[in-house]
Parts: sequence; C-alpha cells; structure tokens
Amino acid sequence: GQQLNQSPQSMFIQEGEDVSMNCTSSSIFNTWLWYKQDPGEGPVLLIALYKAGELTSNGRLTAQFGITRKDSFLNISASIPSDVGIYFCAGYSPYGGSQGNLIFGKGTKLSVKP
Amino acid sequence: DTAVSQTPKYLVTQMGNDKSIKCEQNLGHDTMYWYKQDSKKFLKIMFSYNNKELIINETVPNRFSPKSPDKAHLNLHINSLELGDSAVYFCASSQGPPGGANVLTFGAGSRLTVL
Repeated sequence: GQQLNQSPQSMFIQEGEDVSMNCTSSSIFNTWLWYKQDPGEGPVLLIALYKAGELTSNGRLTAQFGITRKDSFLNISASIPSDVGIYFCAGYSPYGGSQGNLIFGKGTKLSVKP
Repeated sequence: DTAVSQTPKYLVTQMGNDKSIKCEQNLGHDTMYWYKQDSKKFLKIMFSYNNKELIINETVPNRFSPKSPDKAHLNLHINSLELGDSAVYFCASSQGPPGGANVLTFGAGSRLTVL
C-alpha cells in the first residue's frame, strides 16, 4: 500500500532553534495535513494544505504543499518547550490508497531542551 | 466541552476477554473512524462509518466489530482479546467521507493493555 516517508524520526533541539521536518511519497497526494500529538492525547490538526505550492502559516508554524504533490514540509520557528510532542504528516491519495482513508507518516518526535 | 470523547481512557484486561470502547462526537459530523496506534506510534485506520453505514472496512480481524447506534456514536467491540491487541485506539470524526478537504478530529485515545 501507499506509504508516507517522514523524516527525521526524532529531533533533539535547544529552545529557540528552528525546526524542519518533511514528508515524501512515491505517488501524488491531493491533500496534506500536519498533526501534533502530545503525550497521552490524540493528534490535533495544525495545518491543512489543499493545493500544490500552497504555503500556509499558523503562528510559528509554516507548512508547504510541494509542487510535485509528492511532498510537504513543516517548519517551526523559535521553538519553545511546549512544542515537544510527535508531529505527523498525513494525506489523502487520489488513487484511493488505504481505501480512501487518511494515510499517516510514522511521526517525528521533537524534544526541546530549555 | 469535548468534541470527540472516548471511554474508557485506560483498559487493562486478560487474554480471551471481550471488551468495548465507546466514542461520541458532538460536532455534527457525518463520518466517524477508529484508528489503532501501535507501540511505535504508527497510526493505522481500522474502520470508518458514514451515516450509520460502514463505508470502508480495513482488513482487521473479525474479532473487532464497530457498532454505530446513531451518527454521533461509534463504539468498538473486541472479542477474544489477544496480546497483540494491546495498543492505543483513537476515535475520530470528519464532516464528510474520507478525502478532499475532510480533516479528522481525534479523541484523546483509549489505551488497551491485554495481559
């Protein structure tokens, strides 16, 4: 089945640093979503992207839908301790991968040192 | 005022038992889902329901059965629990069926431990 390759798998950064993570696929996607999961909680939507080339910001977070429709990245500027968590990319494939359901990457675990 | 709520939060049980996890959403969404998150945090779709009808059924063991009494509820029943069923189970909902602009809103998860 279709898969999303998300990297890096984990990051350990200093407070104040910028963070970048990305997601790639071997086939095109027509929607890219970025979620954050805090410990003991469910994933929460951060940013949704619907068009190739779209660049969207949400506070210190910026995400882009790749022109090729096969990738997306998420940047976090000036990280703070509450940014700690697992970040997931997710997408819908026009080819009905995963029977049309949202496909998730394996997550990027972010740790921030104060 | 939780949008997607699921109970119980924690469930510890013996192999072979039957258990249920309940889910309710107050968002007025038409589609509900169950996802399983394994120990490596990988999220995998199990079921989705649209307007009380199963629209997509991933290849999960038939020991798992979703039941939706109305569009605001989707409960997960698991029979003859096995060790490998230990995981965190997430309920989610979306306005419409999977695809397009339909983003999912997740519950807080139910951690199932089978001993």
